[in-house]
Amino acid sequence: QLVLTQSPSASASLGASVKLTCTLSSGYSTYDINWHQHQPGRGPRFLMDLKYDGSHTKGDGIADRFSGSSSGPERHLIISSLQSEDEADYYCQTWGPGIRAVFGGGTKLTVL
Amino acid sequence: EVQLVESGGGLVQSGRSLRLSCAASGFIFNDYAMHWVRQAPGRGLEWVSGITWNSGRIDYADSVKGRFTISRDNAKNSLYLQMNSLTLEDTAVYFCTTGVFWGQGTLITVSS
Repeated sequence: QLVLTQSPSASASLGASVKLTCTLSSGYSTYDINWHQHQPGRGPRFLMDLKYDGSHTKGDGIADRFSGSSSGPERHLIISSLQSEDEADYYCQTWGPGIRAVFGGGTKLTVL
Repeated sequence: EVQLVESGGGLVQSGRSLRLSCAASGFIFNDYAMHWVRQAPGRGLEWVSGITWNSGRIDYADSVKGRFTISRDNAKNSLYLQMNSLTLEDTAVYFCTTGVFWGQGTLITVSS
């Protein structure tokens, strides 16, 4: 079964970098994923499409501080030079089977 | 400017029905599959239903199958979700999305 696993929470200091991880379940390690940012009271925001080889395509207007990488079944979102407005929930998401979408449980990022 | 605007939310009694709409603009609507995603209070994002560009393929989460019906009208650039037999567990903010573009969401509160 296709499952995306994320740590429930993460924290890092203002100006620092943080790496959030999304792990694909066994048998699905080559799947591409999307990263979305969700701030309270707003609609989610697409950050990037991250492929199994680590290449990624960011959404319009997404800052250079956001990047992605991949290692086996792990898909990473790296945020550098953390700003207060980066405090949000971050979700990974993939497609399948068919037109179904699967979301990870989300990681709540706190900027200290 | 891309916009997805959901409407039709509100307070409804358990067992009743509600119809959500999503008006799209700023992109070629019939180039995209469309989806409904929801977030219950204190929970993460949950995919609810999806529909391909020509309505040729439709799918639902198990939690709503048989109760919810997704549809679209490409001539009106609109997506719909007919929600029947609502339960307390359907209380959530409902978002329409292409997977890249997201709406702001509409709140459904189901009361007993």
